[in-house]
Amino acid sequence: GAVVSQHPSRVICKSGTSVKIECRSLDFQATTMFWYRQFPKQSLMLMATSNEGSKATYEQGVEKDKFLINHASLTLSTLTVTSAHPEDSSFYICSAEGGLPSNEQFFGPGTRLTVL
Amino acid sequence: QQQVKQSPQSLIVQKGGISIINCAYENTAFDYFPWYQQFPGKGPALLIAIRPDVSEKKEGRFTISFNKSAKQFSLHIMDSQPGDSATYFCAAISGTDKLIFGTGTRLQVFP
Repeated sequence: GAVVSQHPSRVICKSGTSVKIECRSLDFQATTMFWYRQFPKQSLMLMATSNEGSKATYEQGVEKDKFLINHASLTLSTLTVTSAHPEDSSFYICSAEGGLPSNEQFFGPGTRLTVL
Repeated sequence: QQQVKQSPQSLIVQKGGISIINCAYENTAFDYFPWYQQFPGKGPALLIAIRPDVSEKKEGRFTISFNKSAKQFSLHIMDSQPGDSATYFCAAISGTDKLIFGTGTRLQVFP
């Protein structure tokens, strides 16, 4: 149980295009979903927290107009990187909270974004 | 005060040996301390977790030791195997606040 999927697993796009990444909780309802960014050999950096049906809360320094988050249902959250640039290339990981035990975040497998 | 300090940055252990990774925190409000294992190109996966009301938790070859007074906790991997080679992150959280990650430890286990 407590499986989180992400799609796509990897994406390559041209500079200036927008990319959408989906995060789904497969066997539980996620009250809260989180989006992280991870650079090579570094720790996870929280970008934003989203609750179903409400606006996401972004961490300081994260551009909300660039990284659009939509938490449409209790099992789906999407991250759209708008007008992507090479510096947006990174490993994006989502997690979902809502299963058992409480406090536990279940992580997706990650999405490797490469912007050319 | 929200930081979790993790050491060492990298660790090389021979097969069968004990791997030890340490973490320290300042925020006494933290009430849940998970450890995550991450393989290259994959998301982190929960390995083992502890709450501050116990001093030790063991699951198979993995043990968390927790010292509340020193505000430190550590992960011990007994009989380390090459398949344990991965990056390990400690983390801490207070209630429904955000998860705070350590900086990670890259473990390499050689046969």
